[in-house]
Amino acid sequence: GQNIDQPTEMTATEGAIVQINCTYQTSGFNGLFWYQQHAGEAPTFLSYNVLDGLEEKGRFSSFLSRSKGYSYLLLKELQMKDSASYLCAVRANAGNNRKLIWGLGTSLAVNP
Amino acid sequence: KAGVTQTPRYLIKTRGQQVTLSCSPISGHRSVSWYQQTPGQGLQFLFEYFSETQRNKGNFPGRFSGRQFSNSRSEMNVSTLELGDSALYLCASTPGGGGGYEQYFGPGTRLTVT
Repeated sequence: GQNIDQPTEMTATEGAIVQINCTYQTSGFNGLFWYQQHAGEAPTFLSYNVLDGLEEKGRFSSFLSRSKGYSYLLLKELQMKDSASYLCAVRANAGNNRKLIWGLGTSLAVNP
Repeated sequence: KAGVTQTPRYLIKTRGQQVTLSCSPISGHRSVSWYQQTPGQGLQFLFEYFSETQRNKGNFPGRFSGRQFSNSRSEMNVSTLELGDSALYLCASTPGGGGGYEQYFGPGTRLTVT
């Protein structure tokens, strides 16, 4: 089957670094996305990985290992506004179709 | 460019009623996907439309249906509402082929079924 796992909740301190992990089991893997969702708002795109390695974008970086079915989102220099849910989503090919399979999200609380 | 818009933003219905939600994608985007989001289940894929055709469908009962118009605007309909249909319904559009490019989400419609 197709499955995505990520921790339910995490807590970190302002200014620190936090790593949010995502493991997946899927056939026809064709890319992994990270989205940020603040409470009461829509998800917004953070990053996309399709090849192994690290993609850096400002304070946020995302890593992918396809052989291990593993990704992480690294947030540096945490700010209070980073308190949000972080969603991992995997794009999978299914025949002629492609679908996005979503994790349940990791709720990150940044404390002063 | 204007973002994805959804109407209405909030809706209260009673069991057994039906509801229609609307989504206008970003101008030029041809693919529209619909999701149901609840605290316990996360984002659940409902269906995707591209060029007025349903291209993908999730595992929801037939009470959930949708359509897309020639201007790419999309509607979803839920008939015979149940309490468990209370959720945030999100629409997302993508520029081209859809199905996995970066998705741009609308603000959602919060549906409460009583």
